[in-house]
Amino acid sequence: AQTVTQSQPEMSVQEAETVTLSCTYDTSESDYYLFWYKQPPSRQMILVIRQEAYKQQNATENRFSVNFQKAAKSFSLKISDSQLGDAAMYFCAYRTSAQGGKLIFGQGTELSVKP
Amino acid sequence: DAGITQSPRHKVTETGTPVTLRCHQTENHRYMYWYRQDPGHGLRLIHYSYGVKDTDKGEVSDGYSVSRSKTEDFLLTLESATSSQTSVYFCAISGETYQPQHFGDGTRLSIL
Repeated sequence: AQTVTQSQPEMSVQEAETVTLSCTYDTSESDYYLFWYKQPPSRQMILVIRQEAYKQQNATENRFSVNFQKAAKSFSLKISDSQLGDAAMYFCAYRTSAQGGKLIFGQGTELSVKP
Repeated sequence: DAGITQSPRHKVTETGTPVTLRCHQTENHRYMYWYRQDPGHGLRLIHYSYGVKDTDKGEVSDGYSVSRSKTEDFLLTLESATSSQTSVYFCAISGETYQPQHFGDGTRLSIL
């Protein structure tokens, strides 16, 4: 069974600085998708970025980018030029090919941004 | 934003009562999912649907049932609610398995 681990329960960053959130996963599948979701205090689950396992190029969305290391089964999220609105819980998620493509989530990392 | 509506947004009920949560989508997506979110666990899949009348269990399905009689509606039922089912419930939708899932705003359910 696939598992997702986020080893940093809490992280803090100064406004305008860069922060990296870690995620590792375990799987025997060769084809899968990885995601980062953001959950602000409003409780919404907001898709931040996604990565297809078959793509070697790391995904980028504006200030958000990933470092995808398939052999190491690592999928970290880098937030550049951090803003106060980035403060939230961040979840790493693995999408399996089975069970209707269900998502398997990590435990989350709570990011605070200091002004 | 994806057209997903969960109802109710909040509910407080007593142990032993039946509870039904509704997820309604306007995107005509094939896949619909119910997750629960508890502290320290992230989100975990309860049940999912891959079409009208086609549903299957997730990893935490005990005590829950689902129904999907129309493409746009996916119902989650707790036949006899227990305190361990106090949680935040999220519905998600997806067009195909390779597409991202988009989530509703969640339902906070408290069982006393």
